[in-house]
Amino acid sequence: DTGVSQNPRHKITKRGQNVTFRCDPISEHNRLYWYRQTLGQGPEFLTYFQNEAQLEKSRLLSDRFSAERPKGSFSTLEIQRTEQGDSAMYLCASSALQGSAGELFFGEGSRLTVL
Amino acid sequence: SQKIEQNSEALNIQEGKTATLTCNYTNYSPAYLQWYRQDPGRGPVFLLLIRENEKEKRKERLKVTFDTTLKQSLFHITASQPADSATYLCAHWGYSTLTFGKGTMLLVSP
Repeated sequence: DTGVSQNPRHKITKRGQNVTFRCDPISEHNRLYWYRQTLGQGPEFLTYFQNEAQLEKSRLLSDRFSAERPKGSFSTLEIQRTEQGDSAMYLCASSALQGSAGELFFGEGSRLTVL
Repeated sequence: SQKIEQNSEALNIQEGKTATLTCNYTNYSPAYLQWYRQDPGRGPVFLLLIRENEKEKRKERLKVTFDTTLKQSLFHITASQPADSATYLCAHWGYSTLTFGKGTMLLVSP
């Protein structure tokens, strides 16, 4: 396994368009996380899945954001009606179900630019 | 809620010196603290984890300390190299999610 994979790596879109990002986690990892990161800030938690169940969502995740992990494997993060404030790096991470000491394995991120 | 604070100013040091980065937390003492490295345009990479009951943890040139009295973790890189230049993130687990500080950029000059 080559690690967490994210696609696309870069996306430029016009305000109002919808975008979708895909994350393929490390295959044996049960947990999958989405984070958002803007320049000069640390990653901010958006949502996480344990297998196919979405267990927690941040208040940062507005109604325009939706995430799925239909078969407990890959996940998608969709942003509808994008706004300039959505411009950020969207990071996906996975971890094995091993309690709160577990490390996260991050992908390289999907950078979104909204014009 | 728990807050993680890291010095937002970049740390500039010369090659060969020891770099020391600070992570302060408010409120309760987290059971674990983690440190990650992040290069520009890349995802964070896990480096070290230290438990609340551990005073110190080492891995090669890296050392992390955890002082629950000061509510602080220190991250040291000894014999620093230009390749160590990156942003270093401190993080703690809340109930079910990992919360990160803003990170501190380290610049090691030859």
